[in-house]
Amino acid sequence: DGGITQSPKYLFRKEGQNVTLSCEQNLNHDAMYWYRQDPGQGLRLIYYSQIVNDFQKGDIAEGYSVSREKKESFPLTVTSAQKNPTAFYLCASSPRGDEETQYFGPGTRLLVL
Amino acid sequence: AQTVTQSQPEMSVQEAETVTLSCTYDTSENNYYLFWYKQPPSRQMILVIRQEAYKQQNATENRFSVNFQKAAKSFSLKISDSQLGDTAMYFCATHLSGNMLTFGGGTRLMVKP
Repeated sequence: DGGITQSPKYLFRKEGQNVTLSCEQNLNHDAMYWYRQDPGQGLRLIYYSQIVNDFQKGDIAEGYSVSREKKESFPLTVTSAQKNPTAFYLCASSPRGDEETQYFGPGTRLLVL
Repeated sequence: AQTVTQSQPEMSVQEAETVTLSCTYDTSENNYYLFWYKQPPSRQMILVIRQEAYKQQNATENRFSVNFQKAAKSFSLKISDSQLGDTAMYFCATHLSGNMLTFGGGTRLMVKP
């Protein structure tokens, strides 16, 4: 089946630790996105990538890093510089980097121990 | 600032009745797309309906329809014949600037039996 997968479903981070969230899509979409959702709130854009080996900062990029070495993969690293990482993280993709509809993965819940 | 506003944090409706969720936005763009997404308790973001701003005809998808008022920058979602499975958070979103989707704060809809 075509779709977007995210792993793990739950992730625990210790103080000062970097953790990486996985996002994979087999939809052959060019563009991929990472969003953060805090309880009771909407989504905020962290990073997006319109093409392999290129990515752009969103509204809340500080403390996060990404890579786009393959079209189907867009991992997000939450670094120790992100002081409040507890949130729900959603990955999305769209066919192109313009105003196409974005399709979402199931999300990863990150908790700080 | 460019924003998307959902003024109803919570709403409830009796099963089989109709409910309307409101959304207003502020953009200087002339051509853009608007979306309603549903987020059930599983937290998967699901596209409900999409409207293209240059089209005057309101979009319809089965029991879901929109009332798009471009001059008023309003984009409401009407759910007819509400079902228990419609219980979810609903988010309005649009491309206010380039490729980035901006989301409203969400409306929690409860469908009562």
